[in-house]
Amino acid sequence: DGGITQSPKYLFRKEGQNVTLSCEQNLNHDAMYWYRQDPGQGLRLIYYSQIVNDFQKGDIAEGYSVSREKKESFPLTVTSAQKNPTAFYLCASSPSGGPENTIYFGEGSWLTVV
Amino acid sequence: SQQGEEDPQALSIQEGENATMNCSYKTSINNLQWYRQNSGRGLVHLILIRSNEREKHSGRLRVTLDTSKKSSSLLITASRAADTASYFCATDGVETSGSRLTFGEGTQLTVNP
Repeated sequence: DGGITQSPKYLFRKEGQNVTLSCEQNLNHDAMYWYRQDPGQGLRLIYYSQIVNDFQKGDIAEGYSVSREKKESFPLTVTSAQKNPTAFYLCASSPSGGPENTIYFGEGSWLTVV
Repeated sequence: SQQGEEDPQALSIQEGENATMNCSYKTSINNLQWYRQNSGRGLVHLILIRSNEREKHSGRLRVTLDTSKKSSSLLITASRAADTASYFCATDGVETSGSRLTFGEGTQLTVNP
């Protein structure tokens, strides 16, 4: 089935560790996104990529890094520089970055600092 | 920065009643979209309304857009318990045109059986 797969669903990070969240899509979409959602809040854009080997910072990029080496993959690394990483992370993709861009979401990953 | 602001933050109604949620935004947009999120899950696209449209329907959903007031509303008619979820508006700003969507804070809808 076509879709967006995020893994792991639940992840625990110790203080000072980097962790990487995986996001894979088989929808042949050009654009991919990472959002952060805190409990009871809306989504905030971390990074986005409109094409392979290119990505841009969103509103809250500090403490995060991404890569886009393949069209179908857009992993997010939460670095130790991110002081409050506990949140729900959502990966998304869209056919292109053009007008009427509708976004398709994965099921999300919960990250908790222990 | 968050562009959309939903109102109310939370809404509780009985099955069969209508639910209305509002969204306000700040800058000029190409279109406005509504998404639904079940607890702990990803978001699902519901409906898109273009800046030159005033009203759009999809099943039990009715969306209006008033660009002069920079506001939109989502009406769910004859609500069901399964409609219980958070609803978010998202705007595609003219300046960022299609490269990214900006989401509001959401309205938590509870439909009681």
